[in-house]
Amino acid sequence: QQQVKQSPQSLIVQKGGISIINCAYENTAFDYFPWYQQFPGKGPALLIAIRPDVSEKKEGRFTISFNKSAKQFSLHIMDSQPGDSATYFCAASTRGSEKLVFGKGTKLTVNP
Amino acid sequence: NAGVTQTPKFQVLKTGQSMTLQCAQDMNHEYMSWYRQDPGMGLRLIHYSVGAGITDQGEVPNGYNVSRSTTEDFPLRLLSAAPSQTSVYFCASSSERGGSYEQFFGPGTRLTVL
Repeated sequence: QQQVKQSPQSLIVQKGGISIINCAYENTAFDYFPWYQQFPGKGPALLIAIRPDVSEKKEGRFTISFNKSAKQFSLHIMDSQPGDSATYFCAASTRGSEKLVFGKGTKLTVNP
Repeated sequence: NAGVTQTPKFQVLKTGQSMTLQCAQDMNHEYMSWYRQDPGMGLRLIHYSVGAGITDQGEVPNGYNVSRSTTEDFPLRLLSAAPSQTSVYFCASSSERGGSYEQFFGPGTRLTVL
């Protein structure tokens, strides 16, 4: 049972374009939704996170959009750069829990 | 702070061999966990610990054992390695951040079982 479904599996974007990665969940008890970024040969690192009491959170070129009624959230990378090429994972957890459930990941390639 | 450290970085085992993957953190985090990462499968939780002396199973615990005798260390033991355990293993520890928890990952151990 996959609790967090992530799409697409891979994404190719031109430099300066917008990258969009989508995730959907079923468990309505989830109330924390982080995104992790992983470069080749490295461990994942927290990029940005959101709680369901807001519909959008922006940090620099990275924005999370959250739709509670649809149980979906997405990561938008504005002005994508080659240095953004990495694998991105969405995740979710319930209140007070440190256990994260991860999506299967999206490999983003930003061409120069 | 060194953060989360893992040893070894690479390991090749033969089927049936046993080994221990080491994980240590110097951030005084109570929660630690082990994941395996396989192509197209994301990160799957193997075991986790909410503090010294307390461990529990995650999504894919079969074939693995853990113990947590200190806050700093959380080793993962493969009892009898199988080719299906070929994977990249990540250890993580987490701390509270604004009411939520940020997980800090180690650099990973790439394991091949022949």
